[in-house]
Amino acid sequence: SQKIEQNSEALNIQEGKTATLTCNYTNYSPAYLQWYRQDPGRGPVFLLLIRENEKEKRKERLKVTFDTTLKQSLFHITASQPADSATYLCALADTGRRALTFGSGTRLQVQP
Amino acid sequence: EPEVTQTPSHQVTQMGQEVILRCVPISNHLYFYWYRQILGQKVEFLVSFYNNEISEKSEIFDDQFSVERPDGSNFTLKIRSTKLEDSAMYFCASRPGLAGYEQYFGPGTRLTVT
Repeated sequence: SQKIEQNSEALNIQEGKTATLTCNYTNYSPAYLQWYRQDPGRGPVFLLLIRENEKEKRKERLKVTFDTTLKQSLFHITASQPADSATYLCALADTGRRALTFGSGTRLQVQP
Repeated sequence: EPEVTQTPSHQVTQMGQEVILRCVPISNHLYFYWYRQILGQKVEFLVSFYNNEISEKSEIFDDQFSVERPDGSNFTLKIRSTKLEDSAMYFCASRPGLAGYEQYFGPGTRLTVT
């Protein structure tokens, strides 16, 4: 069966450190993978998209890697700040589909 | 900056009643979606809409659900006869189209079925 797995345990880090979140998937052949941020009671906010032929994408303090052999994406936030505290969702669309399937998210807590 | 808007922010209804959730997608976007998120669970796809018709739907989107784009701006989700298990946050999203795959979500409507 198809699965998208994110670490369900909260990730607690100190301000200024790099946060690394993992997304693993099985039985998908995604053309691209996306990362979203979700704050409590709010809608997901798009952060980054990486295509299957890209290994890495950066935007300001954010970096995403995509390994289609390992079927894994890593999401990094460098120089983390308390304002980065939120739940981060991995989402992908299977080949030929437009609908996104979301992982359950990883909650990040950045301590001052 | 353009954003997706949704109304109402919170809707309370009795089981068996019909509800209509409304969304105004970003104006030049071509693809429209509804997702739902039951409290504490993951965001789940319901339906996508393109060129005035449904392009994909999930198993959740059964005959009780329907979508409509009645004019050039609104996009609605109707639940004909609500059940207790329909209680969730419903998010509308829109996507630019061929220019981009990222989806822009609205703030959501919290639906409570009693």
